Amino acid sequence: EVQLVESGGGLVQPGGSLRLSCAASGFTFGNYDMHWVRQTTGKGLEWVSAIGTRADTFYSDSVNGRFTISRENAKNSVYLQMNSLRAGDTAVYYCTRDSTTNGWRPTFDPWGQGTLVIVSS
Amino acid sequence: DIQMTQSPSSLSASVGDRVTITCRASQNIRTFLNWYHQKPGKAPKLLIYSASTLQSGVPSRFSGSGSGTDFTLTISSLQPEDFAVYYCQHSYNTRPWTFGQGTKVEI
Repeated sequence: EVQLVESGGGLVQPGGSLRLSCAASGFTFGNYDMHWVRQTTGKGLEWVSAIGTRADTFYSDSVNGRFTISRENAKNSVYLQMNSLRAGDTAVYYCTRDSTTNGWRPTFDPWGQGTLVIVSS
Repeated sequence: DIQMTQSPSSLSASVGDRVTITCRASQNIRTFLNWYHQKPGKAPKLLIYSASTLQSGVPSRFSGSGSGTDFTLTISSLQPEDFAVYYCQHSYNTRPWTFGQGTKVEI
């Protein structure tokens, strides 16, 4: 069974840092692009970041320069290092796989269960 | 950015009803359009990709159509387990990959 399990969420003060992890299983991890998508009550689903099979990385404008995505194929894991966190980063963060292999035209499947990040003093 | 606009934002329907949700892209995305649904407290789940291809394991009462800028998700006969929020997402080769604001299907 293809599965993604996130961890690392929690409560952090504005300006603080947090590192999210996503452990993958059930597929050949190194063959797929991986993404982080977040969900807030007010703004719905928002794509955050992606890392390709060659470790090429992409970010949304809202997190560029503050967040860093990385992967460790030997551990079947993808990470999201979040620095300079703001109240607006409060959200459930989902790890998801691009189930296609046709370049950067992602279809997100499956999704992890999500991890909640709350940025508040 | 490509803007994805869904309508309606919410709808009320009964079991057995035919339900249609539309999604409009702000520019031509050919058929690079995916549909998901999300139940309370759960992660989104892929229903349809490439505008009209049913994901494996998804019931055949779900169908998708459209190309260019206008797309439709249809549920031919609504079942109790279909009450959820539905999202469209463009997968065109243009970042960021954006989602519609969601359509809540309620009883």
